[in-house]
Amino acid sequence: GQNIDQPTEMTATEGAIVQINCTYQTSGFNGLFWYQQHAGEAPTFLSYNVLDGLEEKGRFSSFLSRSKGYSYLLLKELQMKDSASYLCAVQKTSYDKVIFGPGTSLSVIP
Amino acid sequence: ETGVTQTPRHLVMGMTNKKSLKCEQHLGHNAMYWYKQSAKKPLELMFVYNFKEQTENNSVPSRFSPECPNSSHLFLHLHTLQPEDSALYLCASSQDRGAGTGELFFGEGSRLTVL
Repeated sequence: GQNIDQPTEMTATEGAIVQINCTYQTSGFNGLFWYQQHAGEAPTFLSYNVLDGLEEKGRFSSFLSRSKGYSYLLLKELQMKDSASYLCAVQKTSYDKVIFGPGTSLSVIP
Repeated sequence: ETGVTQTPRHLVMGMTNKKSLKCEQHLGHNAMYWYKQSAKKPLELMFVYNFKEQTENNSVPSRFSPECPNSSHLFLHLHTLQPEDSALYLCASSQDRGAGTGELFFGEGSRLTVL
């Protein structure tokens, strides 16, 4: 079967760094996505990892270890607007559906 | 603005009603999807269309009936729903079905309440 785990909720302070972890167990692996979803809004794409290592994109970075079935999203210099749900999603093959994790609700406090 | 528009944004219906959700994408994509998002649950894929052909039905009850008249439009017809069907229904599109090298573009969703 497929299983993707993320912490349900996290709280971090404005200006700080936060790491949101995602572990997965799937019968195949083609790539891993991170999406951001503000309350009442559409999920929006943040990153896509295919190979092991760290992908940096401004204040956001995403890391992947395929051998460990593990990814994290790193948010630096947190801002209040970063308060949102962060969804980890795995695709088993290039033509397969994307399976979403339960999402992590991040609250950024002053 | 993601290029994917869903209407209505909110819908309240009784269990005997028939209603439809509409999705339109202006991105020139070939694949469109319906997802269900319930509280405390992961996004659940319902249907996938690629070049107007249904390529996946994720064991969705027949009271949900999708329709894809062209690559830009996707409908979800609803009839005799149950209260547990209350959820946020998200439409998404991607360049092709696999979305292997590209991302999903989501609409803002239709919040459905079944009384």
